[in-house]
Amino acid sequence: QQQVKQSPQSLIVQKGGISIINCAYENTAFDYFPWYQQFPGKGPALLIAIRPDVSEKKEGRFTISFNKSAKQFSLHIMDSQPGDSATYFCAASAFYSGNTPLVFGKGTRLSVIA
Amino acid sequence: NAGVTQTPKFQVLKTGQSMTLQCAQDMNHNSMYWYRQDPGMGLRLIYYSASEGTTDKGEVPNGYNVSRLNKREFSLRLESAAPSQTSVYFCASSTQLAGGREQYFGPGTRLTVT
Repeated sequence: QQQVKQSPQSLIVQKGGISIINCAYENTAFDYFPWYQQFPGKGPALLIAIRPDVSEKKEGRFTISFNKSAKQFSLHIMDSQPGDSATYFCAASAFYSGNTPLVFGKGTRLSVIA
Repeated sequence: NAGVTQTPKFQVLKTGQSMTLQCAQDMNHNSMYWYRQDPGMGLRLIYYSASEGTTDKGEVPNGYNVSRLNKREFSLRLESAAPSQTSVYFCASSTQLAGGREQYFGPGTRLTVT
């Protein structure tokens, strides 16, 4: 059973446009939602994360929007740049659980073209 | 700080051969993880170690064994490699399993089984 569903699988965006990646989860115990960014040939790295006490978190051009009732969260990349071309993974976990590692979505390959 | 290091970077095995992937971290982290990454499948957790002396199965443990040698090192062994184990393997570590701690990933090992 896939606990975190991510879409789309791939995305092509024009430079300067907005990239939007969506994730949905089923487990209501999840209350920590990070996004990881992976460049080709590298390991993933934490980009931004949110807990459900807020509906939105912004860091520079990157924003997470969170909808608790719909059990959905999304990553928005404003003014997308070619340097943002990477694979993005959403993830989820139960923040205070002592035995539950992160569950990752299947990833979205973003290509930003000039 | 080197962070998380993995050896080897590349490996080609014949079906039935065995090998051990090595991982070490110098961040004094308690928790360590092994993932495999396949196209369209995202990051799948093979095994993890919440703390020194403990290991647990993840989503796809069959065909693998692990050893948490000490706090720094966490190895992944393939006893009898199969073509289905062709993948990119990532090791990661975090301060602890719970509490939404950031996972730090190594650069990966690209394994091909012929």
